[in-house]
Amino acid sequence: EAGVAQSPRYKIIEKRQSVAFWCNPISGHATLYWYQQILGQGPKLLIQFQNNGVVDDSQLPKDRFSAERLKGVDSTLKIQPAKLEDSAVYLCASRRGTFGGEQYFGPGTRLTVT
Amino acid sequence: AQSVTQPDIHITVSEGASLELRCNYSYGATPYLFWYVQSPGQGLQLLLKYFSGDTLVQGIKGFEAEFKRSQSSFNLRKPSVHWSDAAEYFCAVGAVSNNNDMRFGAGTRLTVKP
Repeated sequence: EAGVAQSPRYKIIEKRQSVAFWCNPISGHATLYWYQQILGQGPKLLIQFQNNGVVDDSQLPKDRFSAERLKGVDSTLKIQPAKLEDSAVYLCASRRGTFGGEQYFGPGTRLTVT
Repeated sequence: AQSVTQPDIHITVSEGASLELRCNYSYGATPYLFWYVQSPGQGLQLLLKYFSGDTLVQGIKGFEAEFKRSQSSFNLRKPSVHWSDAAEYFCAVGAVSNNNDMRFGAGTRLTVKP
């Protein structure tokens, strides 16, 4: 089966600009996650969707970050306006069920904010 | 809330030598435990997982890990390291709940000397 797809793979923007990332999870996976991985750190959960509903967005900086998962499949993560500290790799992951089970990760989008 | 500590930021071993990467977790109930590997520019790949049952878990690429409840540890081991094992290794703990919220450690970078 195809893995988790993400695009773009790399993005360079200036601070105060906006940017959007796209994720297509593995077919049939109900749960989708967005993580932020700052250089030298482990991934930090930003938001979790179950089908098209938000389960956990407690660590999402809602003043500048937004995410949606229309129709319970693809998802987009947006940053507007970006700050220097948003430079990181943004990872998307999906999981089949709604309870337990491993997460499958995409290759990530490396964002550089200058 | 659950948390993970990986005490070693960077480890260097010689090719063919044995390897042990340490992981300590904090969680009030029985956790789900995972080890992921991340090669440069790549997403995270699952090496192995512990949900219940046998506390010695076998994974891919010759890795194994042992869950020790009394020590709150889930250390990763490999008897003979290959040059291709050089990567970043992340331990993660998942909550036994509908959210399956997962927390990652900061990672251990493995360098393999020829």
